[in-house]
Amino acid sequence: QKEVEQDPGPLSVPEGAIVSLNCTYSNSAFQYFMWYRQYSRKGPELLMYTYSSGNKEDGRFTAQVDKSSKYISLFIRDSQPSDSATYLCAMSAQGGSEKLVFGKGTKLTVNP
Amino acid sequence: GAGVSQSPRYKVAKRGQDVALRCDPISGHVSLFWYQQALGQGPEFLTYFQNEAQLDKSGLPSDRFFAERPEGSVSTLKIQRTQQEDSAVYLCASSLTYGASEQYFGPGTRLTVT
Repeated sequence: QKEVEQDPGPLSVPEGAIVSLNCTYSNSAFQYFMWYRQYSRKGPELLMYTYSSGNKEDGRFTAQVDKSSKYISLFIRDSQPSDSATYLCAMSAQGGSEKLVFGKGTKLTVNP
Repeated sequence: GAGVSQSPRYKVAKRGQDVALRCDPISGHVSLFWYQQALGQGPEFLTYFQNEAQLDKSGLPSDRFFAERPEGSVSTLKIQRTQQEDSAVYLCASSLTYGASEQYFGPGTRLTVT
């Protein structure tokens, strides 16, 4: 079993839909949780970063972390065709001084 | 300011050739990471530098892989005697300090070994 599990999709939604992406993990030492967006043939772009449990909102994006369940989520409200990309969850135990462990990525398509 | 840059963006090598991939981190960033991303997979950690010191190389898949950052800024990932299984995108990331968690990625180098 991998340390971080993420459903690879693909996920296809109509424009304006609410999108829910999630990851589960097994390593209880993880404390830093990130979501990256990766367009085709580009590098990952940091979207959200949270420390420990709780919620964080940034515009149309909301990240949730539930450490008791070892489960993290990213919600996208009012999805746009420009949101079409692969979304990667990532986590680490020690922050910037340590490697990130990534999920496999979920490929999202938002249809106009 | 400028982000992380990598060169070349694309590299085709014949099996058995040596390749060198370059990473220019964001100016002033202390930490530098290399990751390997196979098709349809998430990035996987290769190695980590804090300034010029290589603090973790546990992800390097074999002794054919070697990385350096001699002056604490630009880094080079070298792969000797390339094999077909080395075909992947090689991503470089940097972060401001060892305490900060945000890692910023470059566009990657797509290596194809024929």
